[in-house]
Amino acid sequence: GIQVEQSPPDLILQEGANSTLRCNFSDSVNNLQWFHQNPWGQLINLFYIPSGTKQNGRLSATTVATERYSLLYISSSQTTDSGVYFCAVGPGGGYQKVTFGTGTKLQVIP
Amino acid sequence: DAGVIQSPRHEVTEMGQEVTLRCKPISGHDYLFWYRQTMMRGLELLIYFNNNVPIDDSGMPEDRFSAKMPNASFSTLKIQPSEPRDSAVYFCASSAGTGVPHEQYFGPGTRLTVT
Repeated sequence: GIQVEQSPPDLILQEGANSTLRCNFSDSVNNLQWFHQNPWGQLINLFYIPSGTKQNGRLSATTVATERYSLLYISSSQTTDSGVYFCAVGPGGGYQKVTFGTGTKLQVIP
Repeated sequence: DAGVIQSPRHEVTEMGQEVTLRCKPISGHDYLFWYRQTMMRGLELLIYFNNNVPIDDSGMPEDRFSAKMPNASFSTLKIQPSEPRDSAVYFCASSAGTGVPHEQYFGPGTRLTVT
């Protein structure tokens, strides 16, 4: 199956700082999502981005499918950004199974 | 839209008891997924359904686990008999789009503790 690797595993930021989270995957994908798991455990959709670039407020994501990686950018971080960020990837083509990475645990301190 | 609904939110049971977790997907979604999250293994897909039919159950850990989807708006995950190593958070998710990958939306999860 597809292998998914996320880096860094842990990240501590001062409020207001910017950060880049990376997701590498081992095979071509047609399905890639980024999620934020908040401190209460809820998994929140951030982006569905099998290719290209998307932006939503202070967050943006870029996937370069040919080079098998995706990046999540967080600008002007806030304490509410704390939690774990997961990417999930799948082959698509009508097969909906996705594999989750191990996540990046982000802590934003005031 | 109410989102994916799961019940119960918390379940504490004794080893050997039967546990039933419930999920109501988002209306109109034709894919339903059951995941398990633990510290050791992260988020694992257990099984998923398309139009109420199980498509891939390769993640179901053993015969003690079973899942059903009797109709488009309801699914259950049953563990019988339960064991302490089944303690985890179980998530249900749903997505739309037959044949086309679409983003999955997760429920709030059920935190299961087996003592």
